[in-house]
Amino acid sequence: KQEVTQIPAALSVPEGENLVLNCSFTDSAIYNLQWFRQDPGKGLTSLLLIQSSQREQTSGRLNASLDKSSGRSTLYIAASQPGDSATYLCAVEGKHKPGANSKLTFGKGITLSVRP
Amino acid sequence: EAQVTQNPRYLITVTGKKLTVTCSQNMNHEYMSWYRQDPGLGLRQIYYSMNVEVTDKGDVPEGYKVSRKEKRNFPLILESPSPNQTSLYFCASSLAGWGDSPLHFGNGTRLTVT
Repeated sequence: KQEVTQIPAALSVPEGENLVLNCSFTDSAIYNLQWFRQDPGKGLTSLLLIQSSQREQTSGRLNASLDKSSGRSTLYIAASQPGDSATYLCAVEGKHKPGANSKLTFGKGITLSVRP
Repeated sequence: EAQVTQNPRYLITVTGKKLTVTCSQNMNHEYMSWYRQDPGLGLRQIYYSMNVEVTDKGDVPEGYKVSRKEKRNFPLILESPSPNQTSLYFCASSLAGWGDSPLHFGNGTRLTVT
């Protein structure tokens, strides 16, 4: 059974700092990994999706990497801002054939606070 | 605007009173799914649907039903709600169910069962 772990559960950094959020998973036979952002009381917003054949994806100040063999992914946030304060979740999708069952397994998230 | 719409946003009900939470997407997505989010337990999948008339159980399906009669709608039905179903519920959709596209979430439904 796939398990996804995100440590620490919470992180507080000063504005402007570059930071790395970690995600680990137990079964390396994944189809993709996604990073999401969740603001309080809101739904999740997809930030980056890395397919199993890819090593990294970039969007603006965000860069996500994937190392399937070691079961790890990192989300790098450059020059953090108070507006980046939110909970960041990673999720992995188990490898399967098209048309077969599909399921995402989520980590519990890292709550980030960026201090002005 | 492309979106996943859930209704209602907040719902308080009593044990045993059947309820339905609606979910609709306007992106012509094939894949739709329901999750519940609980403190300390994270997001857990309830049911998902790969396409019209194709549904399957997730990790915590007990006490829930779903249907997918139309591509855009995927309602979550609680036939006899119990207090342990008090939670924050999210509907989500994506273009296809095998990971080619990101998952889009609704804004959530906070359900309280007394």
